[in-house]
Amino acid sequence: QQQVKQSPQSLIVQKGGISIINCAYENTAFDYFPWYQQVPGKGPALLIAIRPDVSEKKEGRFTISFNKSAKQFSLHIMDSQPGDSATYFCAASKPSYGKLTFGQGTILTVHP
Amino acid sequence: DAGITQSPRHKVTETGTPVTLRCHQTENHRYMYWYRQDPGHGLRLIHYSYGVKDTDKGEVSDGYSVSRSKTEDFLLTLESATSSQTSVYFCAIRGGIGTEAFFGQGTRLTVV
Repeated sequence: QQQVKQSPQSLIVQKGGISIINCAYENTAFDYFPWYQQVPGKGPALLIAIRPDVSEKKEGRFTISFNKSAKQFSLHIMDSQPGDSATYFCAASKPSYGKLTFGQGTILTVHP
Repeated sequence: DAGITQSPRHKVTETGTPVTLRCHQTENHRYMYWYRQDPGHGLRLIHYSYGVKDTDKGEVSDGYSVSRSKTEDFLLTLESATSSQTSVYFCAIRGGIGTEAFFGQGTRLTVV
């Protein structure tokens, strides 16, 4: 059972465009929603994270939008750059033991 | 980079042989996790630890066992490797619930 569903599987964006990746979750006990970026040969690295008491969090060009009632959250990358090309994972965790449940991943390609 | 070292980085083994992967941390973090990454599945939790000798199963624990005899080391053992265990394995550490999780660089395991 996939508790966190991520879409799209792949995304191609032109330089300067906006990249949007969406995730939906099922378990209302989740209380921490991070996004990870992974480049080839490396482990995932935390990009930005949000808790359900806020609807939006922005860090530089990266924004998380959170809709608690719809059980959805999304990552927006403004002014996308070729260096943003990577695989992005959304995740969610419950308070117990900090175990992360990941989405399936989105391969982002930003063309120059 | 967080002080996480996974070893080996690459391994090819034969079906039916035992395999042990090691995760070593220098951060003195309490929580340690083993995930496997497969295309289309994101990262899935195998086992986790919340202290020395305190471990529990994740969502894909069949065929795997773990041990944590010291804070800094978390071992993942495949008692009898199967081809379905061909994957990239990531170790992660976390200082506390709701804090950032740091990932190692991964171990690519191929079972032939």
